[in-house]
Amino acid sequence: SVLLYQKPNRDICQSGTSLKIQCVADSQVVSMFWYQQFQEQSLMLMATANEGSEATYESGFTKDKFPISRPNLTFSTLTVNNARPGDSSIYFCSSGQGGYEQYFGPGTRLTVL
Amino acid sequence: AQSVTQPDARVTVSEGASLQLRCKYSYSGTPYLFWYVQYPRQGLQLLLKYYSGDPVVQGVNGFEAEFSKSNSSFHLRKASVHWSDSAVYFCVSPDTNAYKVIFGKGTHLHVLP
Repeated sequence: SVLLYQKPNRDICQSGTSLKIQCVADSQVVSMFWYQQFQEQSLMLMATANEGSEATYESGFTKDKFPISRPNLTFSTLTVNNARPGDSSIYFCSSGQGGYEQYFGPGTRLTVL
Repeated sequence: AQSVTQPDARVTVSEGASLQLRCKYSYSGTPYLFWYVQYPRQGLQLLLKYYSGDPVVQGVNGFEAEFSKSNSSFHLRKASVHWSDSAVYFCVSPDTNAYKVIFGKGTHLHVLP
């Protein structure tokens, strides 16, 4: 299994600002995934990040709004640019070995005022 | 396209009662299947997984699930629920055409003490 840590646990920011969410794995992983979860809803895959390449974004998510970096095999950062109240949700990182179980970070709860 | 369907958005049971949470998948082959649990204000934890073999798989905390190819189902069961089982349960399956997973919409379980 893989342990994932996220920082910060929660954040409150003003509309129009940007913020970064970090995800660290306790071992090297090929792919990291970022999910968004609105209250009382399921998780929505935002993007897949592999080391040394640009993240692959799902429909409805763009790199301009949610740039993701993956500088090495244990680390990834999700940035939320020009944050809006509609971005208020929980952001999870996860890692999996394609076709097998995924492991999730504890989540970052974002509130945009 | 592959899909995972959890037909029950909310389930309420009394403590000590038996439980079944339903999950249907759409895939012509035999998929990998997982159940995850999300306790209030927490991340996702893997409850159990099915890859192949015995259709009944055991998980943590007394949960089990039964895979049925004929019914395209992977229902989660527990013989006697506890109030602490109140959480959201997600049925998940990897997308065989892409390096990602498909989430069901989740079932909110409320256990009455």
